[in-house]
Amino acid sequence: TQLLEQSPQFLSIQEGENLTVYCNSSSVFSSLQWYRQEPGEGPVLLVTVVTGGEVKKLKRLTFQFGDARKDSSLHITAAQPGDTGLYLCAASWEYGNKLVFGAGTILRVKS
Amino acid sequence: EAGVAQSPRYKIIEKRQSVAFWCNPISGHATLYWYQQILGQGPKLLIQFQNNGVVDDSQLPKDRFSAERLKGVDSTLKIQPAKLEDSAVYLCASSFVFQRGGRGNNEQFFGPGTRLTVL
Repeated sequence: TQLLEQSPQFLSIQEGENLTVYCNSSSVFSSLQWYRQEPGEGPVLLVTVVTGGEVKKLKRLTFQFGDARKDSSLHITAAQPGDTGLYLCAASWEYGNKLVFGAGTILRVKS
Repeated sequence: EAGVAQSPRYKIIEKRQSVAFWCNPISGHATLYWYQQILGQGPKLLIQFQNNGVVDDSQLPKDRFSAERLKGVDSTLKIQPAKLEDSAVYLCASSFVFQRGGRGNNEQFFGPGTRLTVL
């Protein structure tokens, strides 16, 4: 059974600070997705990465896929209270669409 | 475009009772997923449908959980009888197509979920 480890589990920071969330596995991913989930809602896809070493940017969010395709990171620059939520990584290890989710990182940005 | 609809949003039952959840996916989406999200954990796939056929139900506790998608559109997930450990949010998601054999980049669109509390 493939597992995804996310760290940290919880992060509480002040508005304007930078942060990084990590997602790791012992097995090579086929693809990896990052989602954001707000209370009472379902997860919403932020990005999909499939190529080792790939970097994608979405406004203040930077997503990186490790060269060996076993890890990924999400970096947020100048965090804002609106970034508060649960950040989930989800990976697929086989060619297909079955996703396995990590436990998530709860981010709280205080104004 | 309407999103994935789920009902009810909340349900409280006693252990050993039965419960059913309903999902209406985005129009035209062939693939439908049911996930269980226990507090403090990420979503875990219970069952995946392609049209009205089951693609993956390897993590569905089949002694008490059942799901169907008879006409390839709406789906229902049933628990009978419920246990305390079934307390969770049940998420339904849909995607346009399931690409077997490809580096799937199919975005899954999630509904708001049904929060189940078993007392």
